[in-house]
Amino acid sequence: RKEVEQDPGPFNVPEGATVAFNCTYSNSASQSFFWYRQDCRKEPKLLMSVYSSGNEDGRFTAQLNRASQYISLLIRDSKLSDSATYLCVVNMKTDSWGKLQFGAGTQVVVTP
Amino acid sequence: SAVISQKPSRDICQRGTSLTIQCQVDSQVTMMFWYRQQPGQSLTLIATANQGSEATYESGFVIDKFPISRPNLTFSTLTVSNMSPEDSSIYLCSVYGTGVGSGANVLTFGAGSRLTVL
Repeated sequence: RKEVEQDPGPFNVPEGATVAFNCTYSNSASQSFFWYRQDCRKEPKLLMSVYSSGNEDGRFTAQLNRASQYISLLIRDSKLSDSATYLCVVNMKTDSWGKLQFGAGTQVVVTP
Repeated sequence: SAVISQKPSRDICQRGTSLTIQCQVDSQVTMMFWYRQQPGQSLTLIATANQGSEATYESGFVIDKFPISRPNLTFSTLTVSNMSPEDSSIYLCSVYGTGVGSGANVLTFGAGSRLTVL
């Protein structure tokens, strides 16, 4: 079993619609969680950190469910520019230098 | 966050040759890492580049194949040695924040080096 698993998609989303997807992690001791965005042929860039209480950044909402060991990302009012691959990243240590585990990514395609 | 310059951005190489990838950061950083992203797959950590000492390699990666230098806190190189087509991948340099202030716990990536081995 992979340590971080994601539905690869693609999620085809009409412009303006809402899309949500999850990421499961296997290590219950995982401490911090992130969503990265990767555009085609580009490097990953941090989209948002995921906090225990859940957090929102504009149209993006991230949630953490420790009991079921998953995090989620919800995108409201999807824009064409939201088309990308979203990588789930899990840090298994409390300090900054912990080993990060990357999911394989969920592809989102927003269509006009 | 730190600005990372990575070169070459892409290269096509012959089997059996070696290629050195450079990573330059605009500020001093403690932690620098090298990742590999094979087509359609996620990122895999190759090693942590340690300033002034040997790199720390992850399982499946060895120094003879991927020698790494880290002469100072702003620069590192990764060499892919004796290349084979299986080494065709994107190689990414990354750093943890800028060492101080905001972004200290954020992993930032260089633009990557796309390597094709014939």
